[in-house]
Amino acid sequence: QKEVEQNSGPLSVPEGAIASLNCTYSDRGSQSFFWYRQYSGKSPELIMFIYSNGDKEDGRFTAQLNKASQYVSLLIRDSQPSDSATYLCAVNTPLVFGKGTRLSVIA
Amino acid sequence: GAVVSQHPSWVICKSGTSVKIECRSLDFQATTMFWYRQFPKQSLMLMATSNEGSKATYEQGVEKDKFLINHASLTLSTLTVTSAHPEDSSFYICSARDGHPRYFGPGTRLLVL
Repeated sequence: QKEVEQNSGPLSVPEGAIASLNCTYSDRGSQSFFWYRQYSGKSPELIMFIYSNGDKEDGRFTAQLNKASQYVSLLIRDSQPSDSATYLCAVNTPLVFGKGTRLSVIA
Repeated sequence: GAVVSQHPSWVICKSGTSVKIECRSLDFQATTMFWYRQFPKQSLMLMATSNEGSKATYEQGVEKDKFLINHASLTLSTLTVTSAHPEDSSFYICSARDGHPRYFGPGTRLLVL
């Protein structure tokens, strides 16, 4: 059974701080990794995807991948209240989703 | 990014009726579309992979005769929930690929009374 694990949270950070979201996966052969943001009652929105070990930056978001440790993370710099949502980690094709981490950014 | 639409966004029906949900890729062609279901406070669970011009591939535990999928064109896939029951009430979301990243439709919330 291929699994993707995330801490359900909630993770609370003050406005302007860095939010760090973590994800581990069980399938060592996984090749593609995605982070989605889901607001309550809405469908997921793609934030980042990463295929290679290392860091990938896009604006305030940085995805980090370590295939040896089977670990992928998402950093959100200068967190804003509008970033408050559930963040879903997904792996491979077809996508296997974690249960999501609920982030709360406190103004 | 690519746009995926779904219709309807909300549907309420009586137990025993059938409900059809449409998923369209608006500005790209999608040979493959995916159907997910999400129960409250749960993550997305893949139901089936829909391939244009061929039969859908269903995940283990998903009844193919209950959840009929048709992918008649490169921009349209439909999911029909046949003889819906209250336990089928859920948030149904389709997804399509434009290259590798996966984009999701806005979802269809189904309530079966």
